[in-house]
Amino acid sequence: QKEVEQDPGPLSVPEGAIVSLNCTYSNSAFQYFMWYRQYSRKGPELLMYTYSSGNKEDGRFTAQVDKSSKYISLFIRDSQPSDSATYLCATKGTAGNKLTFGGGTRVLVKP
Amino acid sequence: DSGVTQTPKHLITATGQRVTLRCSPRSGDLSVYWYQQSLDQGLQFLIQYYNGEERAKGNILERFSAQQFPDLHSELNLSSLELGDSALYFCASSVGGGVSTDTQYFGPGTRLTVL
Repeated sequence: QKEVEQDPGPLSVPEGAIVSLNCTYSNSAFQYFMWYRQYSRKGPELLMYTYSSGNKEDGRFTAQVDKSSKYISLFIRDSQPSDSATYLCATKGTAGNKLTFGGGTRVLVKP
Repeated sequence: DSGVTQTPKHLITATGQRVTLRCSPRSGDLSVYWYQQSLDQGLQFLIQYYNGEERAKGNILERFSAQQFPDLHSELNLSSLELGDSALYFCASSVGGGVSTDTQYFGPGTRLTVL
């Protein structure tokens, strides 16, 4: 079993809809949580970075962390075709900077 | 553009060969990380260098090695290549060496194809 699980999708939504993505993790040592966006054939780009349970909002993006359930989520409001990409969740512990990634969810926003 | 550069963009080679991938970190970043992304394994951490010294090691094969030079650029050497080594190889950089809030910025990657 992988340390970070993520539904691979694809997740197809109409333009303007809310995109809901989530990951579960198994290692209690993970304390920092990130969401990266990766367009085809490009490098991952950091979207959100959180380190406590609760919500963090940045524009159309909201990251949610529930450490008691080991569950992290990303919501994208008013989705646009340009949001079509693969979204990767990533985690790390307090010792060191090694990132452990989920497998990524492919999102397709249809005009 | 993250500010991390990687060369070459694409590399096609044969089994048994050796290749070198190069990465230049963002200006001011002292840490360089190497990751491998394949369809079956996803994005996996290989190794980290901080200011020229190896800082952390992940699932890196013995056939693979890396180093970071005094100008902070890094090279990942892959030898005795196998078909299964075909993947995207990403370099990332960050300011610190182990600060938990450190953000990693990824380069555009090198696509390696082993025939």
